[in-house]
Amino acid sequence: EPEVTQTPSHQVTQMGQEVILRCVPISNHLYFYWYRQILGQKVEFLVSFYNNEISEKSEIFDDQFSVERPDGSNFTLKIRSTKLEDSAMYFCASSEEGIRGERNTIYFGEGSWLTVV
Amino acid sequence: AQSVTQPDIHITVSEGASLELRCNYSYGATPYLFWYVQSPGQGLQLLLKYFSGDTLVQGIKGFEAEFKRSQSSFNLRKPSVHWSDAAEYFCAVGANNAGNMLTFGGGTRLMVKP
Repeated sequence: EPEVTQTPSHQVTQMGQEVILRCVPISNHLYFYWYRQILGQKVEFLVSFYNNEISEKSEIFDDQFSVERPDGSNFTLKIRSTKLEDSAMYFCASSEEGIRGERNTIYFGEGSWLTVV
Repeated sequence: AQSVTQPDIHITVSEGASLELRCNYSYGATPYLFWYVQSPGQGLQLLLKYFSGDTLVQGIKGFEAEFKRSQSSFNLRKPSVHWSDAAEYFCAVGANNAGNMLTFGGGTRLMVKP
């Protein structure tokens, strides 16, 4: 079964450093997402990406965050200058269609656990 | 904005017993509803979803859920729980006026007693 893959599975970084989290969405999917889950809290939406541009973003997704699809298969999340409160599990996800389509199921990767020290 | 409430943070059931996990949402029109399961150290796996049509939906691993518009609920059920069902369960809602994002509930952690 096709799956969303993420690397790294775990990263420890110092406060103020830049981090890039990488994802390979499912190959025929057109919509890409990042969500995060701070330990013990809800899964929260960060950003969605379609047709090579951001389609929605949450209040969390401020200027420190950026996303990119550098080639036909990868989708990355960059955090420019990490803060302690960025420590969380970051989930990449993809879907074949948008929410109104029958094939709107969002498939999640296994997550990248980011620890900022 | 839509919201999702899972009233039960923890539930413990005996193996073989039936299970119902509650989910209530707040949204003015018909939502798109999902249940995901997360095992420790794992990602989010889709159990089932409601898109349209029949309000009783069947999912993987013997789970089902029923969309009740009048109660704004989408409760997850399983007639007989197995020890391997121990995990965290998340209800999520999408909406026509919220782009393609999902809003998640806080999750219910299920423990299964032998």
